Amino acid sequence: KQEVTQIPAALSVPEGENLVLNCSFTDSAIYNLQWFRQDPGKGLTSLLLIQSSQREQTSGRLNASLDKSSGRSTLYIAASQPGDSATYLCAVRGSSNTGKLIFGQGTTLQVKP
Amino acid sequence: DGGITQSPKYLFRKEGQNVTLSCEQNLNHDAMYWYRQDPGQGLRLIYYSQIVNDFQKGDIAEGYSVSREKKESFPLTVTSAQKNPTAFYLCASSRTGENSQPQHFGDGTRLSIL
Repeated sequence: KQEVTQIPAALSVPEGENLVLNCSFTDSAIYNLQWFRQDPGKGLTSLLLIQSSQREQTSGRLNASLDKSSGRSTLYIAASQPGDSATYLCAVRGSSNTGKLIFGQGTTLQVKP
Repeated sequence: DGGITQSPKYLFRKEGQNVTLSCEQNLNHDAMYWYRQDPGQGLRLIYYSQIVNDFQKGDIAEGYSVSREKKESFPLTVTSAQKNPTAFYLCASSRTGENSQPQHFGDGTRLSIL
């Protein structure tokens, strides 16, 4: 059974710092991996999607990497801003063709001005 | 604007009562999903549907029911059999048949017990 773990559970950094969020999964047979952002009391916003055949994806100050063989993904945020404060969730789509996502517990990020 | 609309934003359930959460999408997506989120935890899949008039149980379907009579709509009923219904419920949709499409989410419904 696929399990997804995110470390750390919470992170507080000063503005301007570069930071890395970690996601690990137990079954390497995945279709893709997504990173989402969730603001308090809100739904999820998709940030980046990495296909199983890809190594990384970039969008602005965000870069996500994927190492399927080791079951790991990282989300790199450059030059963090207070507006980046949110919970970040990673999710894997498994080997079935149903579109089902398995989520990690999330990392809550606070960027202090 | 295209998107997913969930209603109501807040819902209260009395003991023994069934309540229904609404989810409507105008993205022309075939697949729709219901997730439950508990504090400090990730999302867990309740039910999903890949096509009209068909749906499958997710990981925590007990105490819930769904219907998919229209492509745009995927309502979730929380029945009295669900003994711990207090949670944040999120609806999502996506295209099918393509590996690369991200799921789009609504803004959620927060359900509490009176």
